[in-house]
Amino acid sequence: DAGVIQSPRHEVTEMGQEVTLRCKPISGHNSLFWYRQTMMRGLELLIYFNNNVPIDDSGMPEDRFSAKMPNASFSTLKIQPSEPRDSAVYFCASSPRTSPYNEQFFGPGTRLTVL
Amino acid sequence: SQQGEEDPQALSIQEGENATMNCSYKTSINNLQWYRQNSGRGLVHLILIRSNEREKHSGRLRVTLDTSKKSSSLLITASRAADTASYFCATPAVSGGYNKLIFGAGTRLAVHP
Repeated sequence: DAGVIQSPRHEVTEMGQEVTLRCKPISGHNSLFWYRQTMMRGLELLIYFNNNVPIDDSGMPEDRFSAKMPNASFSTLKIQPSEPRDSAVYFCASSPRTSPYNEQFFGPGTRLTVL
Repeated sequence: SQQGEEDPQALSIQEGENATMNCSYKTSINNLQWYRQNSGRGLVHLILIRSNEREKHSGRLRVTLDTSKKSSSLLITASRAADTASYFCATPAVSGGYNKLIFGAGTRLAVHP
């Protein structure tokens, strides 16, 4: 298996532009997580899905952020409009089941820079 | 606030030495996990220890768990330059009937040749 796939790997955009980050989880995994990592705030859970259904979006910073999972093999995280403070590395992770004993498998991340 | 907090924030050692990182958490857990993150990469799962276990080994890794003190430690023996990375502990939290992981701030380990 190729592991969790994220695209793009790097994104540079200007303030006010829409940004869409994409994630393909590991086949057969039914939980998907979006994280944001910054030096100041560390690794933050933004939202997670189970069987394509959003379970907890309490970490989404504000209405400018939205996430979808239209099917088991694809998810998007959208920021509209983007702001410089959104600059961070965004990770997608997937997990095979909802058991608390399951490890999470992380993608390589998307480094977002908003100018 | 974060469930798990690592200590120290940064650790610098020479190759061959042992590295010990600690994690404290706040609420009752049924397991604790350790992850490694190399620079510019995603996190990679290292080891999971269940609440009924006190110690677990995996290669050069040794993890302990003290549920009475709500703390865990990760020991890397005979460190190598390739062990240079950030190490995170993670504990489960229930949300909406499902389980998510809460990660600590991490310990940055530098192993010098």
